This record gives sequence, structure tokens and C-alpha cells, in this order.
Amino acid sequence: DAGVIQSPRHEVTEMGQEVTLRCKPISGHNSLFWYRQTMMRGLELLIYFNNNVPIDDSGMPEDRFSAKMPNASFSTLKIQPSEPRDSAVYFCASSPGQGADTEAFFGQGTRLTVV
Amino acid sequence: DQQVKQNSPSLSVQEGRISILNCDYTNSMFDYFLWYKKYPAEGPTFLISISSIKDKNEDGRFTVFLNKSAKHLSLHIVPSQPGDSAVYFCAASFSGNTPLVFGKGTRLSVIA
Repeated sequence: DAGVIQSPRHEVTEMGQEVTLRCKPISGHNSLFWYRQTMMRGLELLIYFNNNVPIDDSGMPEDRFSAKMPNASFSTLKIQPSEPRDSAVYFCASSPGQGADTEAFFGQGTRLTVV
Repeated sequence: DQQVKQNSPSLSVQEGRISILNCDYTNSMFDYFLWYKKYPAEGPTFLISISSIKDKNEDGRFTVFLNKSAKHLSLHIVPSQPGDSAVYFCAASFSGNTPLVFGKGTRLSVIA
């Protein structure tokens, strides 16, 4: 398996623009997580899905952030409009599913820079 | 408030010596703990885990110790190698595959 695939790897955008980050989880994994890494807050959970259903989005910082998982093999994280403080590395991760004490597998991340 | 804390942002160790990375947590309901390793420009990768029913888990050069009464866990790397230089994240979860809660990470530098 190719692992969790994220695109793009790098994104530079101007303040006010819409940004869409993409994620393909590992096939067969039922849980998908979006994390954001910053120097100040480390790795923080934004939202997670079980079986394509959003379970907890309490980590989404503002209404400007939204996430979707239209099917088991694809998820997006959208920021509209983007702001300089959104600059961070965004990670997508997947894991096999509920009831399993197991690790989450991370993608390589998308480094977002909002200027 | 941080539920998982790594109070040492960085650590330097001589090659061949032991590296000890520490982690504290506040929620006694956590029952599964993990360590992840992260190289620059890569995603975190799983290193080792421990269930709350155990107090030690060993995998080669890596050993994780759990002290539930102190809400403390540590990762020991013996012997340390230059390739171990990375950021190490401690993580915790509740049983049933809930999301991992991460600490802020400790940057380990192993000096040759």
C-alpha cells in the first residue's frame, strides 16, 4: 500500500484565497483524522471521521475551516478565506477503525503558507 | 489545556549513550499510549506503544515505561544512534480507537 497520500505537499496562497487540502487514506481504514502542526500548539486534532461520518469537529478553529469525506477513499480540508495565521503543516492520518488499539498512519503533510 | 505534556523541547545525547524522553498526561482515562518519530518534511511514524495494563514494552533498542500512578511515561533508546535524531511525539488515547492526543514533541539530537 502507498500509505496515506496528501496533496499538495506545499501550498503558498494569498490572504483571502480559498485553499483545499486533499487526502487519500489507506484502503480499508475506517477512521480518518486531520491534524495541524504549529510551533506553539504542536499537533492538534482538527476533525475526525468514522466510516465517512464526521464524529468530532470541535478542534476546527473557525467557521472558515470545513472538512468533507464524500467516500471512503477521499477527504478534503478547506479554508475559506485563508489568513496568515493559518500557516502551518496539515497532516491527514487514517487508522483501521473502532475497537482496535492501534496506531494512526500519517501522510507526509501539506505545508501551507498564507501571505 | 494540554492533556499530554512533553516538558523538554529538546535533548542532546552522545552516540552510544541512553536517550530518555519523558511525557506526562493529565487524564487518567487514557489507556493507550504511543510514541511517534518525525523527521523533517515527513509525517510522524509510529515507533512503539503500550497499553495501560502493562508497565513496560520493549522493541529492540526502544523501551517504553508507563507509571500510571504518576501519569508518566518515558521512552528509552539504548544505544542511541545518529539516525535517531528526530522529533519524538508522545500520544495518548482512550480505548476504542479514539483520536490520538499529542504532546508538543521533543527534538532529540544524537551527536556522533
